[in-house]
Amino acid sequence: EAGVAQSPRYKIIEKRQSVAFWCNPISGHATLYWYQQILGQGPKLLIQFQNNGVVDDSQLPKDRFSAERLKGVDSTLKIQPAKLEDSAVYLCASSFPTTGPGGWGYTFGSGTRLTVV
Amino acid sequence: AQSVTQLGSHVSVSEGALVLLRCNYSSSVPPYLFWYVQYPNQGLQLLLKYTSAATLVKGINGFEAEFKKSETSFHLTKPSAHMSDAAEYFCAVSAGNSGNTPLVFGKGTRLSVIA
Repeated sequence: EAGVAQSPRYKIIEKRQSVAFWCNPISGHATLYWYQQILGQGPKLLIQFQNNGVVDDSQLPKDRFSAERLKGVDSTLKIQPAKLEDSAVYLCASSFPTTGPGGWGYTFGSGTRLTVV
Repeated sequence: AQSVTQLGSHVSVSEGALVLLRCNYSSSVPPYLFWYVQYPNQGLQLLLKYTSAATLVKGINGFEAEFKKSETSFHLTKPSAHMSDAAEYFCAVSAGNSGNTPLVFGKGTRLSVIA
């Protein structure tokens, strides 16, 4: 089974520029998450999609961040304009129901490391 | 709301020694608890998860964790550390019986293994 694909792996931009990240979740996983992981911290949820609808974007800085998931499959996360404090790893994850008492399973991509200079 | 607290941002052990990484959780509903490992420049890999089936959970690479409701803890252990265990470890919680909810992560503990 293919994993969660993310691109690019690395990106360096100047402050005030714009940037976009792409995520292709595992086929059939209806729920998709974007997390921000600042160096030395745990991942923090930015936005959750269920199919192509937003479930939770309460922690997304909407003045500069936007995300979409067209057709309920791939997703893009955009930052415009970027600030120095946006330097982080952006992780995409998808989740799926597991059999038995397992609840839900979560699979993470390798992330995109953004450096804003 | 759910949250986790990982005690100790950095733990250092000798090769062959016991590994103990501490995690305490807070949850308003019965929680599902997870431990993930992250190697440099890589994504998160699931070590193990607790979903109420058994309080002692065995995971990959010889790791295990015990759910203690009375102590609201889910500490990760491994009897004998290996050099390859050096990585960042994250404890996470989700609202288990509420359906498809996001994971809430702790700040992480960096494990160093000394030869």
